[in-house]
Amino acid sequence: QVQLQESGPGLVQPSQTLSLTCTVSGASITRGGYYWSWIRQDPGKGLEWIGHIYYTGTTSSVKSRFVISRETSKNQFSLKLYSVTAADTAVYYCARDGGGGIDYWGQGTLLIVSS
Amino acid sequence: DIVMTQSPLSLPVTPGEPASISCRSSQSLRHSNGYNYLNWYLQKPGQSPQLLISLGSSRASGVPDRFSGSGSGTDFTLKISRVEAEDVGVYYCMQGLETPRTFGPGTKVDIK
Repeated sequence: QVQLQESGPGLVQPSQTLSLTCTVSGASITRGGYYWSWIRQDPGKGLEWIGHIYYTGTTSSVKSRFVISRETSKNQFSLKLYSVTAADTAVYYCARDGGGGIDYWGQGTLLIVSS
Repeated sequence: DIVMTQSPLSLPVTPGEPASISCRSSQSLRHSNGYNYLNWYLQKPGQSPQLLISLGSSRASGVPDRFSGSGSGTDFTLKISRVEAEDVGVYYCMQGLETPRTFGPGTKVDIK
């Protein structure tokens, strides 16, 4: 069974840079043709796809200040957010995408950007 | 980007009765392999979304058979044959054809 678990700082100040990490168990992030994704959800609102990293290491994201990377030895992938603002306050999910859409989701980690 | 819309946005339901949600995409989700790259998810209160239906009509493992997906191209439907109390939450459609992945706005289902 594939499981994903997000971790992050919880609360950060505006303009800071931070990283969120997703630890994957039950699957290898370097095999199988999967995309390892980040999605966020504003409190009480809808879902926004942020980006993904392919099993080959190729990345794609919607904004240049969102950078996705991986640590293969730990079977983890990460999302680095630069120059955050209050608009980045959201629950951040990591997920697996089989190429035709997302099949497994993590439980999510809440990020609050506030001074 | 592919724009996804859903209707209705709110759906009060009666347990035991059927329910239906519509999802439309701004361009066809039909891949050259013949599959429609449209997924349905349910987000129960306080939880992350869970996959219900993939490729337009394929039920995910463990999903009750009262859930069914249909449609092709740009028009898709999720049907619940007999709603149960545990089915409350927000239902989302998502296209998996292109990057960026995009989601519908969600349909909130609750009990009348």
